[in-house]
Amino acid sequence: NAGVTQTPKFRILKIGQSMTLQCTQDMNHNYMYWYRQDPGMGLKLIYYSVGAGITDKGEVPNGYNVSRSTTEDFPLRLELAAPSQTSVYFCASTAADGVMNTEAFFGQGTRLTVV
Amino acid sequence: GENVEQHPSTLSVQEGDSAVIKCTYSDSASNYFPWYKQELGKRPQLIIDIRSNVGEKKDQRIAVTLNKTAKHFSLHITETQPEDSAVYFCAALFGNEKLTFGTGTRLTIIP
Repeated sequence: NAGVTQTPKFRILKIGQSMTLQCTQDMNHNYMYWYRQDPGMGLKLIYYSVGAGITDKGEVPNGYNVSRSTTEDFPLRLELAAPSQTSVYFCASTAADGVMNTEAFFGQGTRLTVV
Repeated sequence: GENVEQHPSTLSVQEGDSAVIKCTYSDSASNYFPWYKQELGKRPQLIIDIRSNVGEKKDQRIAVTLNKTAKHFSLHITETQPEDSAVYFCAALFGNEKLTFGTGTRLTIIP
């Protein structure tokens, strides 16, 4: 199993550009999450999804959008990139069923710089 | 709102000594509390977790304790080794959906 795969690993954007961070998992997990991690800081939840067609805002959703058309994929869209969005982005998935929750697996991260 | 507080932000211990990291959470209905370890430049990885129906769980040198009444849980690492140096994150699952992390503790093991 590949687990959780994120692309790209690195990206430099100019202010005002847009991009999509891709995340796909092959574990048939229903829950997926996007976090951002600023240098030396913790993981802040951007958006999450409990299943295909369902998404919800986390702690820091402004400037981002997500979609969940399939169980496997959970892309994160940045519109009008700003320097404040410079960060490392992690996607994660878990097989949580609402009762017994299991390990969340993380992708390798996408390091984004906005200049 | 849903919140997880973690202390301390940095911790240095002599090799062989114990390390303790503490977290508090805001929602008494939360029932799942994992701990993740993140080495420099790597992704976070689960090291231990605890569910609300138990008060303590141990895995070799690592243990987690949970006090549901006080809404806090702690990570205990005994006989620390240099490879334990990393950033540790606690987390709580709110509403059985939202996995929220603490701010992290940078643990340094001094040889």
